[in-house]
Amino acid sequence: AQSVTQLDSHVSVSEGTPVLLRCNYSSSYSPSLFWYVQHPNKGLQLLLKYTSAATLVKGINGFEAEFKKSETSFHLTKPSAHMSDAAEYFCVVSLSGGGADGLTFGKGTHLIIQP
Amino acid sequence: GAVVSQHPSRVICKSGTSVKIECRSLDFQATTMFWYRQFPKQSLMLMATSNEGSKATYEQGVEKDKFLINHASLTLSTLTVTSAHPEDSSFYICSATPTGGDSYNEQFFGPGTRLTVL
Repeated sequence: AQSVTQLDSHVSVSEGTPVLLRCNYSSSYSPSLFWYVQHPNKGLQLLLKYTSAATLVKGINGFEAEFKKSETSFHLTKPSAHMSDAAEYFCVVSLSGGGADGLTFGKGTHLIIQP
Repeated sequence: GAVVSQHPSRVICKSGTSVKIECRSLDFQATTMFWYRQFPKQSLMLMATSNEGSKATYEQGVEKDKFLINHASLTLSTLTVTSAHPEDSSFYICSATPTGGDSYNEQFFGPGTRLTVL
């Protein structure tokens, strides 16, 4: 079985400052890990995914995440927050590459951007 | 590309009635579609995996007779909530995995359907 734990339910940062959203995972096998973003009234959008290639994964909109096996972590970062980044972020794990099996979602982190 | 639609976006129904939600892949074919449920301010929980032309696979604790899933074509899966009760009120989200192509291993999500049972 696999699971993810998002350590913060809410994160508030000022516009222009760095963003850090934390995620730890648990998996019996080598997992695939993802970050999805959910804007109000919009479908989930894939930000980035790790599937056992490079441990530092770059995604869309300036986001990136680093897979650290020793720490079982997959934290999401962005150097400079923008107002449009305000949304709900989900860390997700899958035993397959992400397409063949249902995804296991974390509880989500609500990112608030202060002007 | 890779757009998934859901219809309706919102539905309100009376307790005891049945509601059908459609999930369509608009610009790709999807052998596999998934149905998730999201309670307010909570995470998404996988309900079932739907494969075109075969029976859906339900997650533990999900009643297959209550949540009927049909995946009759490579672009359409439907979820029917039968004899709906207020506790079925939730946000239902589908996703679809393209058959082949560069995105064969990624799920694309629909915008969700808000079900309210009175």
